[in-house]
Amino acid sequence: SYELTQPPSVSVSPGQTASITCSGEKLGDQNVCWYQQKTGQSPVAVIYQDTKRPSGIPERFSGSNVGNTATLTISGTQVTDEADYYCQAWDSTTYVFGAGTKLTVL
Amino acid sequence: QVQLVQSGAEVKKPGASVKVSCKASGYTFLGYYIHWVRQAPGHGLEWMGRLNPNSGDTNYAQKFQGRVAMTSDTSTSTAYMELTRLRSDDTAIFYCARDFAGSFFGYWGQGTLVTVSS
Repeated sequence: SYELTQPPSVSVSPGQTASITCSGEKLGDQNVCWYQQKTGQSPVAVIYQDTKRPSGIPERFSGSNVGNTATLTISGTQVTDEADYYCQAWDSTTYVFGAGTKLTVL
Repeated sequence: QVQLVQSGAEVKKPGASVKVSCKASGYTFLGYYIHWVRQAPGHGLEWMGRLNPNSGDTNYAQKFQGRVAMTSDTSTSTAYMELTRLRSDDTAIFYCARDFAGSFFGYWGQGTLVTVSS
């Protein structure tokens, strides 16, 4: 089965840039989205179709997907961005999530 | 506005079944897939499968094949996920989610905690 690999944790200082990677075989050939999940809440999509932001998501969230790696970048990270982040990819009928990355802002 | 409201928490014994509901409002129920996602305590998101409410067609993750059934009642715009032969490691929050433009899960329910314990 297809697997997506994320680092378990990433730390960043407030105001700095955070990058979270997601790796999978030929991932660049697929559409990737990213979800943010804060403690006790349902996930929220922050990036879809590799680079697009849903309505209401701040511009500091951006995405890329090249080769075997997709990257979520948060510029000017805020304390409120502290959360778990999951990448997701899919083919026509099957969806898969990465294991998630805990972003710590301190 | 789009809303997905799920049924309340459940406690089940091993070997039993659970059926979780997801009532949709604010959009045309027949027009979008409903997905189900499992999240065990302290763990990540796991896609279980999806339902096309218009046709009744389903696609299930291989891991859940034979144990899960996704259905809907179009008269009440409600989707259901039934998981059978429950085990203790099925203890989790189950979410329903709706497609957005066919490319990501744009709307999520609040989650339903299912606890499996003897």
